[in-house]
Amino acid sequence: GAGVSQSPRYKVAKRGQDVALRCDPISGHVSLFWYQQALGQGPEFLTYFQNEAQLDKSGLPSDRFFAERPEGSVSTLKIQRTQQEDSAVYLCASSLGLGQGATDTQYFGPGTRLTVL
Amino acid sequence: RKEVEQDPGPFNVPEGATVAFNCTYSNSASQSFFWYRQDCRKEPKLLMSVYSSGNEDGRFTAQLNRASQYISLLIRDSKLSDSATYLCVVSRSGTYKYIFGTGTRLKVLA
Repeated sequence: GAGVSQSPRYKVAKRGQDVALRCDPISGHVSLFWYQQALGQGPEFLTYFQNEAQLDKSGLPSDRFFAERPEGSVSTLKIQRTQQEDSAVYLCASSLGLGQGATDTQYFGPGTRLTVL
Repeated sequence: RKEVEQDPGPFNVPEGATVAFNCTYSNSASQSFFWYRQDCRKEPKLLMSVYSSGNEDGRFTAQLNRASQYISLLIRDSKLSDSATYLCVVSRSGTYKYIFGTGTRLKVLA
């Protein structure tokens, strides 16, 4: 079956531009996560949705970062007024959303590689 | 101090060697543990979950020591195709976010 898909795969932005990154989770997956991965580092959590509700946005680095999932399926991560330090790979992951106590495997998309010049 | 710590490597080993990676975590509330594999410029993919009793999947063995807050991955009879970065992941439970280590790079040499 189809996995998590993300678009665009690559994005080059000039400093100060706004960008929007899209994630299509696995069909039927309730939970959706965004992570940021800098070069040579492990992914770092940005935000989490359960259906359309954004339950945790503690990892968003600044108020220039905004995420939404209005119908509980596709999600968009928006970065306003991009800065060079925003250059990274942005990974989206989805999981079934089994709830507390269960080991809930996250499946990752291929990521969007953002370069800010 | 990072919540999940790994030796970044690189580990360069010959084909057929046995190699072990270690990972420590600081949050005692952690309940779920995983090893993910990430190839260059690709997404992380689940290698195996880690259970308290230890578990094995072919050439791969994972161990968890809750008292020491320590996770390990052992790869036996290394193959060229095992060359990748191995990410240690902890999570509180269920749908909670993943906390990743920085990853350990492995290169298996012919």
